[in-house]
Parts: sequence; structure tokens; C-alpha cells
Amino acid sequence: DARVTQTPRDKVTEMGQEVTMRCQPILGHNTVFWYRQTMMQGLELLAYFRNRAPLDDSGMPKDRFSAEMPDATLATLKIQPSEPRDSAVYFCASGLDGITDTQYFGPGTRLTVL
Amino acid sequence: AQSVTQLDSQVPVFEEAPVELRCNYSSSVSVYLFWYVQYPNQGLQLLLKYLSGSTLVESINGFEAEFNKSQTSFHLRKPSVHISDTAEYFCAVSEGNTDKLIFGTGTRLQVFP
Repeated sequence: DARVTQTPRDKVTEMGQEVTMRCQPILGHNTVFWYRQTMMQGLELLAYFRNRAPLDDSGMPKDRFSAEMPDATLATLKIQPSEPRDSAVYFCASGLDGITDTQYFGPGTRLTVL
Repeated sequence: AQSVTQLDSQVPVFEEAPVELRCNYSSSVSVYLFWYVQYPNQGLQLLLKYLSGSTLVESINGFEAEFNKSQTSFHLRKPSVHISDTAEYFCAVSEGNTDKLIFGTGTRLQVFP
């Protein structure tokens, strides 16, 4: 049963610290999405990649957030420095080419910045 | 730009009753429409999608949604709900010619015994 995996599942950190979240997409999927979910803003797309190349990161605060795909089996989302307003659940999703394909979501990383 | 409106933030209903979760979108171009479901402490899962063809689409667990172009709606319905249908439901629309989905704010369906 192929699934998207995310680590860590929960992260509590202090303001100013660096946070790195990792995602392993489903093997063979070439599109990876990063979303953030909060009560106030709902589900927001931060960035997405196709074949490891960033296609759109317009939803991401550029000064503190960065997203990369070091290889086809790993996507990372880094926040440096973290702030309390970054507290949210961060989801990774993967899929095949095109908008018509299903996005498969991971279980999420719950981030709390104190 | 496209947008999605889910007017009902919460829908309480008794088991075996029918339910409708409303979704309206705004777009001046052809769109693809999706319903995703999120169970507690889990990621989202695709429930059903409209790409083209028949305006009525169905899921394997009894939900259906109808694409209504004139009303720009994609309401989700189920004739008889179960306790296990308790979850958050998100409507989403494709954005232009990109792979981006615009999600609504979600509707929490609470099914009571």
C-alpha cells in the first residue's frame, strides 16, 4: 500500500530555531506539493515541484521558508528562523503529471513554535 | 483568479439521514472540480472529481456530486450517512492551466447516532 510519508509527525520548537520537515513521495510520482493548514487560513499551497524542479513557490514566505528536492525520493521544507505564526500542520502530497491526477496526501507534520 | 466557497462550516446530521454539503466556485474558464475528505489527524483523501463528461460523479462509498455550470456549483450529497462519515470535507477547483488546486475552507460533517 503506497503512501506518502512525512517526518517528524509532531515538532515543538522555540522561536528563532530552524525547522526541517521531510517528505517521501509515493515511488514513481513526479509531482510534489507542500501545503500549510491553519484554522484561520485553511489549506494553502506553499510550493510544488515537478521532476524535482520547483514550478511555483509563490505561496511561500521567501525570507524564511525554503523548499527543495535533493532527490526523487525526498522533499524538504525548511523554516529559518521559525516564528509563532508558523505554527500549523504542514502537508506534503504527491501525484503524477497534470491537474487531473489525484494528489495523495501524507499524514502531516504538526508544528508548534513557542 | 478562481475561488471556492463552502458556505457551511459545520453540518450536524443524524445517522441514516440525507446530507448535502454545498460548494460554489468562481471561474471564467473551464475547471476541474474535486472533493477531498480529511479524517481526524490524517491527510486529505480524494473522494471524487469532475473532469469532463457526465455532470454527476460518484464515489465508492455512496457520495455523489453534480457539476452545475450555470450555477457554478459542485454540491456533495449522500442519501444516508453513517457515523463513519464524520470528517472534514473540502471542495477544490483547479487554477487555470496549472497543477494548483484552490481549496475551500472546509465543512465539518458531524454524524450523530
